[in-house]
Amino acid sequence: GQNIDQPTEMTATEGAIVQINCTYQTSGFNGLFWYQQHAGEAPTFLSYNVLDGLEEKGRFSSFLSRSKGYSYLLLKELQMKDSASYLCAVRRSNAGKSTFGDGTTLTVKP
Amino acid sequence: EAQVTQNPRYLITVTGKKLTVTCSQNMNHEYMSWYRQDPGLGLRQIYYSMNVEVTDKGDVPEGYKVSRKEKRNFPLILESPSPNQTSLYFCASTLRDSRRNEQFFGPGTRLTVL
Repeated sequence: GQNIDQPTEMTATEGAIVQINCTYQTSGFNGLFWYQQHAGEAPTFLSYNVLDGLEEKGRFSSFLSRSKGYSYLLLKELQMKDSASYLCAVRRSNAGKSTFGDGTTLTVKP
Repeated sequence: EAQVTQNPRYLITVTGKKLTVTCSQNMNHEYMSWYRQDPGLGLRQIYYSMNVEVTDKGDVPEGYKVSRKEKRNFPLILESPSPNQTSLYFCASTLRDSRRNEQFFGPGTRLTVL
C-alpha cells in the first residue's frame, strides 16, 4: 500500500520557525506537494518539488530527498494565520494519480 | 474568475438513493480529480481523469462512478449511497502543461447519508 507519514499535530510560537516533516513510500513518484488547509476550507497549493533540494518562496520553503523518501516544509516568521492543517502529497503518476498524508495540524500561539 | 465549482455544497440523503455531485472548471484544465476527506484524515483520491473520456481509479473508488464527457465537467455519481460514504468531497483540476502541477480545488460538498 501507499504510505505517507507526517506528525499529527505541532505547536509553535508566533514569530518562530517550524519544520513539518513528511516521509513517503509509494508506488510511483512524479513529484511531492505541500498544501495548506484551513478548517472548513479547500486546500490551497504551497509548493511542488520534483527534484532534490530546497525550494524557497517567501516565508515558506520545501525540501525534497527522493533517495530518502523525505520532505519537509519550513515556515518562517510564523503568524497566527498560519494555524492550519498542512498536507503532504505525492503525485504518483504523470496522469495525476495522487496520495495524500493525513495532514499536520499546526497551532501558532501568541 | 478562474474557479472550480461544485454542486450541491451540502446534501443529506438516504441509503440507496442515487445522487450526482457536479464539478465544473472554467480554466480549460485537462486533469481533474475527486477526493474525499474524513475527520482527522487527509484527502483520499477516488477517481481522476487525464482528459475527455479518460478516467482511472484512485485509491478508494469502490461505490463511486465518474464520467468525463466534456473537458470542463467531471461529475461524481453514487449509484447506491451508503452511510460509510458520508464525507466531505473535493473536486480539483490541474493544467497539464503546468510546471507546478498545482491542483485547484473546489469549495467542497458535505454529504450525509442516513
